[in-house]
Amino acid sequence: DAGVIQSPRHEVTEMGQEVTLRCKPISGHDYLFWYRQTMMRGLELLIYFNNNVPIDDSGMPEDRFSAKMPNASFSTLKIQPSEPRDSAVYFCASSSRGTGHGYTFGSGTRLTVV
Amino acid sequence: KNQVEQSPQSLIILEGKNCTLQCNYTVSPFSNLRWYKQDTGRGPVSLTIMTFSENTKSNGRYTATLDADTKQSSLHITASQLSDSASYICVVSQLGTGFQKLVFGTGTRLLVSP
Repeated sequence: DAGVIQSPRHEVTEMGQEVTLRCKPISGHDYLFWYRQTMMRGLELLIYFNNNVPIDDSGMPEDRFSAKMPNASFSTLKIQPSEPRDSAVYFCASSSRGTGHGYTFGSGTRLTVV
Repeated sequence: KNQVEQSPQSLIILEGKNCTLQCNYTVSPFSNLRWYKQDTGRGPVSLTIMTFSENTKSNGRYTATLDADTKQSSLHITASQLSDSASYICVVSQLGTGFQKLVFGTGTRLLVSP
């Protein structure tokens, strides 16, 4: 099993540009989570999906952020337009039983907005 | 307010020494508590997960304890190795119907020095 796969690993973009982060969950997992990690605030849940349906997006900071899960093996997190304060590491995680055992994180995407 | 606080914020120890990391939480109702290890540039990896009825759980040189009455947990690392240098994150799962919300601590940064 390759685990949760995220791409790209690093992204540097200019303020105002659109950024798309990608995630492939573990096969068979029906929950997918997007997190943001910063030094100041640690890990914060942005949104999660169950069976490809967004369940709770209350952690999404503002309308510039959007997430989709068109099928069970792929999800995207989009920021448009990006701002310097969006610079952080974004993690995707998946699980087969909500937040029970088997909850696995990807390696993250380090986003820098200049 | 549901919170997880960890101490110390950072720690430096000599290789071969033991250390203990602390976690206090106010999450209620409580479901389980996890310790994650996060290497630099990687996603968090689960070390242990404990439910209300478990007082201690080991994973190799890592031993976690839980006191549900005082809402405290500790992670003890025995005979530290250079590869133990990482951030250690305490995560408490909040019991609820269906999805269990995870509350993350901001982590303890451990540096094992040769």
